Amino acid sequence: GAVVSQHPSWVICKSGTSVKIECRSLDFQATTMFWYRQFPKQSLMLMATSNEGSKATYEQGVEKDKFLINHASLTLSTLTVTSAHPEDSSFYICSAPATDTQYFGPGTRLTVL
Amino acid sequence: GENVEQHPSTLSVQEGDSAVIKCTYSDSASNYFPWYKQELGKRPQLIIDIRSNVGEKKDQRIAVTLNKTAKHFSLHITETQPEDSAVYFCAAKRPPGGKLIFGQGTTLQVKP
Repeated sequence: GAVVSQHPSWVICKSGTSVKIECRSLDFQATTMFWYRQFPKQSLMLMATSNEGSKATYEQGVEKDKFLINHASLTLSTLTVTSAHPEDSSFYICSAPATDTQYFGPGTRLTVL
Repeated sequence: GENVEQHPSTLSVQEGDSAVIKCTYSDSASNYFPWYKQELGKRPQLIIDIRSNVGEKKDQRIAVTLNKTAKHFSLHITETQPEDSAVYFCAAKRPPGGKLIFGQGTTLQVKP
């Protein structure tokens, strides 16, 4: 099956700093990728749709200036959490579709001190 | 937009028993319904999916049924084993665009 990687797998940062998370489709091309956030014992909440070569589409309530998304190529999307605060601490997961099936990355555990 | 409701939130069964998880969706245009299994700290793994032109699909001990009229679909796990213990999520996808909307999740515990 299709493989999606994500880097880093975990990151600890100080409040006020920015953190970049990479999502790559390793063996297929993805014009669209999705970014989710998952708090402990909760479901996956869609944050935004990343579109190759154009602006990302953000879900209602997600601050586009805080969560910067760039889809630079057909295999790479990045999420930058700017001016991170403790409430941004969460599990961030990306996914990429291959036909109907969405394949998920392993996730990034972000802890903001 | 699409809204997916999932029940129950927790489910505890004895090893060997069956487990059923139910989901309802709101958007009649949704046409793809996957089920994911997520173990603690890991990525969701697709276990089975169904498209709107099919009423039932089975893969060994796992089956999914879809009732388009009622807009609900269910996951059935038979002969449960301790390794089935995990969080299960249903989801629905509405064309075009492909974004998945997830249910709230069900924590399944299979007691040996």
